[in-house]
Amino acid sequence: RKEVEQDPGPFNVPEGATVAFNCTYSNSASQSFFWYRQDCRKEPKLLMSVYSSGNEDGRFTAQLNRASQYISLLIRDSKLSDSATYLCVVPRMGSGNTGKLIFGQGTTLQVKP
Amino acid sequence: EAQVTQNPRYLITVTGKKLTVTCSQNMNHEYMSWYRQDPGLGLRQIYYSMNVEVTDKGDVPEGYKVSRKEKRNFPLILESPSPNQTSLYFCASSPKYGGPYGYTFGSGTRLTVV
Repeated sequence: RKEVEQDPGPFNVPEGATVAFNCTYSNSASQSFFWYRQDCRKEPKLLMSVYSSGNEDGRFTAQLNRASQYISLLIRDSKLSDSATYLCVVPRMGSGNTGKLIFGQGTTLQVKP
Repeated sequence: EAQVTQNPRYLITVTGKKLTVTCSQNMNHEYMSWYRQDPGLGLRQIYYSMNVEVTDKGDVPEGYKVSRKEKRNFPLILESPSPNQTSLYFCASSPKYGGPYGYTFGSGTRLTVV
């Protein structure tokens, strides 16, 4: 099992739709989690951080479920400009692991007119 | 402007010719790290540094070296590049590892080894 798993998609949705992505992680010692957006081999850019139960920023909501070890990203009212790859990022913690950042494979979102 | 600067952006080199990719941040961040991104494999960590003079291996360190002599700079050194090191490389930094702070990435370096 991979340490961080995401459904690669692609998710094809119409403009205005609501779409949700999940990311499961295996390192139970991890405390903070991140969603990044990456456009076509450009640098990843921070979308949201999730440190407690969840976080909301405009159309974007991130949730953390520590018991089931997954985080989710919800995008409401999708825009064409939301088309990108969304990366789940989990900092490893614990003996021998602290410092090692793990990325999911990414979920591709394509928003259609 | 707060940023992570990588140079060069593009590089084509020959097998065995030593090269250095520079990474510099102007945010006084403690944590810095290097990644490579390959199709189908995602982003994988090469090396990281928790602070000045403290570096450690990531998941794919073979063939690479790093140093952290000063807080702002974290160069990636390929002593004898090989074609399997052809990849897209990213440097990133963060105020501190493991907290609620995000990681800021440089614009990337596309390296081709022929």
